[in-house]
Amino acid sequence: GAGVSQSPSNKVTEKGKDVELRCDPISGHTALYWYRQSLGQGLEFLIYFQGNSAPDKSGLPSDRFSAERTGGSVSTLTIQRTQQEDSAVYLCASSPETASYEQYFGPGTRLTVT
Amino acid sequence: GDSVTQMEGPVTLSEEAFLTINCTYTATGYPSLFWYVQYPGEGLQLLLKATKADDKGSNKGFEATYRKETTSFHLEKGSVQVSDSAVYFCLIGGSNYKLTFGKGTLLTVNP
Repeated sequence: GAGVSQSPSNKVTEKGKDVELRCDPISGHTALYWYRQSLGQGLEFLIYFQGNSAPDKSGLPSDRFSAERTGGSVSTLTIQRTQQEDSAVYLCASSPETASYEQYFGPGTRLTVT
Repeated sequence: GDSVTQMEGPVTLSEEAFLTINCTYTATGYPSLFWYVQYPGEGLQLLLKATKADDKGSNKGFEATYRKETTSFHLEKGSVQVSDSAVYFCLIGGSNYKLTFGKGTLLTVNP
């Protein structure tokens, strides 16, 4: 079946512009996660959605970052007024409710802020 | 907070060599432990896991044992293949749903 998909695969933007990154999770998966992988760093947790519960936003690095998940499926991560330090690979993962540690990752979106 | 320290790479081996990638962690409670792998051009995928002390996770010839006394979860394989070339990540899953990642270790296996 189809895996997690993300779009765009690459995004180059100018400093100060807003960007939107999209994630389509595996059908039927109730949990959705966003992570960021910066150059030379490991992956860091950003935000987590589980079903209809309020999202856990504790990993978002600043108030310029926000995310939503519509209809319990597709999610959009928005970065406002991008900065150069936002350049990273943004990964989305989903998991079935009963196995939240076994996460299925998308290919990621490489964001470059110039 | 939770943290993972894994062996820095890159690691370069010849085919059929023995592989060890060290991983230690710091966490409250009794986390579940994982190794994920990212093959070239592909997304991260779960390789193996262990959920309690002394458990051994295994998959595709890889093994890792949950050592609570040394807070370690070292990845081993007795005979690597070229197709094992990838980036390997050690992770912990704490009492919540969040995964904490190590920085990853790039493995290159030469024929």
